[in-house]
Amino acid sequence: ILNVEQSPQSLHVQEGDSTNFTCSFPSSNFYALHWYRWETAKSPEALFVMTLNGDEKKKGRISATLNTKEGYSYLYIKGSQPEDSATYLCAPDAGNNRKLIWGLGTSLAVNP
Amino acid sequence: DGGITQSPKYLFRKEGQNVTLSCEQNLNHDAMYWYRQDPGQGLRLIYYSQIVNDFQKGDIAEGYSVSREKKESFPLTVTSAQKNPTAFYLCASSSRGPSNQPQHFGDGTRLSIL
Repeated sequence: ILNVEQSPQSLHVQEGDSTNFTCSFPSSNFYALHWYRWETAKSPEALFVMTLNGDEKKKGRISATLNTKEGYSYLYIKGSQPEDSATYLCAPDAGNNRKLIWGLGTSLAVNP
Repeated sequence: DGGITQSPKYLFRKEGQNVTLSCEQNLNHDAMYWYRQDPGQGLRLIYYSQIVNDFQKGDIAEGYSVSREKKESFPLTVTSAQKNPTAFYLCASSSRGPSNQPQHFGDGTRLSIL
């Protein structure tokens, strides 16, 4: 199975800080990239599904960009709040017979 | 409310025993998935189904079996052939496969060995 790398592994920020994470994935046979937020004791929640190179999506204070040619996606959180504390997972559909490959996630802690 | 229900939340298996994890969805989704989570690893796909009466092996299907007799139900059986079944199991669904639609997840079942 091809690798998906998410960085950083964990992040601690203060309330109000803006932050961003990276997801790197194989650039060949790309179909889609998913971002999810997984809060402790809850189930993963879909944030974005991105398919086109150069795509940019936004949901409130969270946005994501996609570069399929170089194989990376950025997730940005503007003005972090304590409720943003969660693990953020990316999962591309790229070179694995149309099945998602899941990263280990970036664990974000926002201190009030 | 529409969603995915997994049961039980915790399950214990004795040696040599088969156990079945339940997954039900009322989202009218065509596609359903079973994932396994182990410490230090990303979610790994066990089985998936894109339509009723059809399913395919994922990346780690050995020791597991599934059925998809009804659109809303996708039970996973962990057989005695699965030698390391202790893990957290997540069920998900999407309106259709394979990957252009977001997946909706249940709350998971934690399976342990007695």
